[in-house]
Amino acid sequence: NAGVTQTPKFRILKIGQSMTLQCTQDMNHNYMYWYRQDPGMGLKLIYYSVGAGITDKGEVPNGYNVSRSTTEDFPLRLELAAPSQTSVYFCASSYSGGQSMNTEAFFGQGTRLTVV
Amino acid sequence: AQTVTQSQPEMSVQEAETVTLSCTYDTSESDYYLFWYKQPPSRQMILVIRQEAYKQQNATENRFSVNFQKAAKSFSLKISDSQLGDAAMYFCAYRVAWDRDDKIIFGKGTRLHILP
Repeated sequence: NAGVTQTPKFRILKIGQSMTLQCTQDMNHNYMYWYRQDPGMGLKLIYYSVGAGITDKGEVPNGYNVSRSTTEDFPLRLELAAPSQTSVYFCASSYSGGQSMNTEAFFGQGTRLTVV
Repeated sequence: AQTVTQSQPEMSVQEAETVTLSCTYDTSESDYYLFWYKQPPSRQMILVIRQEAYKQQNATENRFSVNFQKAAKSFSLKISDSQLGDAAMYFCAYRVAWDRDDKIIFGKGTRLHILP
């Protein structure tokens, strides 16, 4: 089982460049999430999706965009990269099927992004 | 809004000893899930243990157990017979059991050091 797969694992961007972080899951989970983790800190939710075609902002959405055209894929787009976006980015997925059926989040291995 | 608080940024324990990590949360829901995740230096987020709020019995997984106090909204993690491989960042997380628009909320983490 591949689980949640993120690409790339590492990336260096110059200020003002843009890029897309890819995320795909093969567990047929309806929920998907993007988090960022700054050095020594916890996880902050950027965006999440409760199903294909539906996305919602988390606590730190500025500077990012997402789309969810399929159940499997949830790419995160960075436009006009800034040094403040230097972080480790995690994609995660989970299942929500009703009372007592929700699962924990399954995480990808993370993408370390540096903006210089 | 739901919140998760981990009041211990760092802790240390001697190898083979027992350590308890604290977590408190705030919610108005009656049915929810609580999780402890481990993040070793590899960055991978690993689920350690999961507790359903409707279950009175505390969850256990080998050397890991929780003390779940629903009325006090407390969810501590006890690690027995600590091993060098337990050194990691530990995150407490909360998820409502049934909500179309739910999110998984993480605490800021506790860094655990194991002293040989």
